Amino acid sequence: GQQLNQSPQSMFIQEGEDVSMNCTSSSIFNTWLWYKQEPGEGPVLLIALYKAGELTSNGRLTAQFGITRKDSFLNISASIPSDVGIYFCAGQNYGGSQGNLIFGKGTKLSVKP
Amino acid sequence: NAGVTQTPKFRVLKTGQSMTLLCAQDMNHEYMYWYRQDPGMGLRLIHYSVGEGTTAKGEVPDGYNVSRLKKQNFLLGLESAAPSQTSVYFCASSYRQGAMDGQYFGAGTRLSVL
Repeated sequence: GQQLNQSPQSMFIQEGEDVSMNCTSSSIFNTWLWYKQEPGEGPVLLIALYKAGELTSNGRLTAQFGITRKDSFLNISASIPSDVGIYFCAGQNYGGSQGNLIFGKGTKLSVKP
Repeated sequence: NAGVTQTPKFRVLKTGQSMTLLCAQDMNHEYMYWYRQDPGMGLRLIHYSVGEGTTAKGEVPDGYNVSRLKKQNFLLGLESAAPSQTSVYFCASSYRQGAMDGQYFGAGTRLSVL
């Protein structure tokens, strides 16, 4: 089945630094989504991307849908302690079981005050 | 608005015991999903449902059964628990495939099988 490669697996950064993470796939997706999971909670949707080349921002977060439709990246600017958590990318196509989300393995972000 | 509620939050089972995890959503969503999350593995789909009375297998369905008798509820059953089923289980729901607001997740059920 389809698999996503998400990198890096973990990041340890200083408060105020910018963060960049990405996901790549061997096959194309119609939609890319980025979720954040905080300790003891379920994932929460941060950004959804629906068009190749699309660049979308949500506050300090910016995500892009790659032109090839096989990759996406997420940037966090000026990180703060509450950014700590695990960030997941997810790809989705439409129709039948293909409409289900395929998740990356996550990027664990730690922010040092 | 509670969103997606999972019960129980924690459970410890002995090998061979059975249990049912309950997921309830109050957003009138058609689609519901059960995932398991293991360290370093991300989220893997166990079973899903595209509407009341329907169920379908996901990526890792073996050892699990599901039922969607009511639109708002999606039950995940383990008939004979095994240590390999020790995991964190998440339920999610969505209005439809490709919904602009994505899938909404519950807070998880942490299951240990001894």
